[in-house]
Amino acid sequence: EAGVTQSPTHLIKTRGQQVTLRCSPISGHTSVYWYQQALGLGLQFLLWYDEGEERNRGNFPPRFSGRQFPNYSSELNVNALELEDSALYLCASSRQGLVSYEQYFGPGTRLTVT
Amino acid sequence: AQSVTQLDSQVPVFEEAPVELRCNYSSSVSVYLFWYVQYPNQGLQLLLKYLSGSTLVESINGFEAEFNKSQTSFHLRKPSVHISDTAEYFCAVCESRGAKTSYDKVIFGPGTSLSVIP
Repeated sequence: EAGVTQSPTHLIKTRGQQVTLRCSPISGHTSVYWYQQALGLGLQFLLWYDEGEERNRGNFPPRFSGRQFPNYSSELNVNALELEDSALYLCASSRQGLVSYEQYFGPGTRLTVT
Repeated sequence: AQSVTQLDSQVPVFEEAPVELRCNYSSSVSVYLFWYVQYPNQGLQLLLKYLSGSTLVESINGFEAEFNKSQTSFHLRKPSVHISDTAEYFCAVCESRGAKTSYDKVIFGPGTSLSVIP
């Protein structure tokens, strides 16, 4: 069974640009979570999608947005990039988004903003 | 508000020695607790979790953690480490809301970098 996949692996962007990150969940999982892992700050919850709907978002500005497609894959969009957006962006999937089910993480997308 | 403290940012230990990675949390209600591992250049993997029942939980690769409610701790231990255990370890907590508890409520600690020395 294929795991959670993310693309691209690495990305270098300039301040002010826009970026789109992609995530494909494990087959059968309807929930996708996005996290930001900045250096020294641990994981910060960004967004949660389930069954195509945004269920919750973390304490991030509106320029962080996303969506979930009918096949449950997801995109994370970041507009007007700032230097502090440089981080590893992790996607995770699970059944129904509940802790009673296992959550699986992808390898992440490393974003560098210069 | 709940929070998680991992007192040691870095823990060096010799191969085959025991190790304990400390995790303390603050919460005024019942909690669920997790340990995740992140190997170099990879995403996170769930190592073990406590939702209910026995306060001692074990992973398939020899790690164990014990939920201590009075000390609000969930320390991770392994009696004998291997080189392959070198990784970043994250403790996480969320308030328990029964069957409807979702992962967006999980708060992660800052991580402990475990380095196993040959």
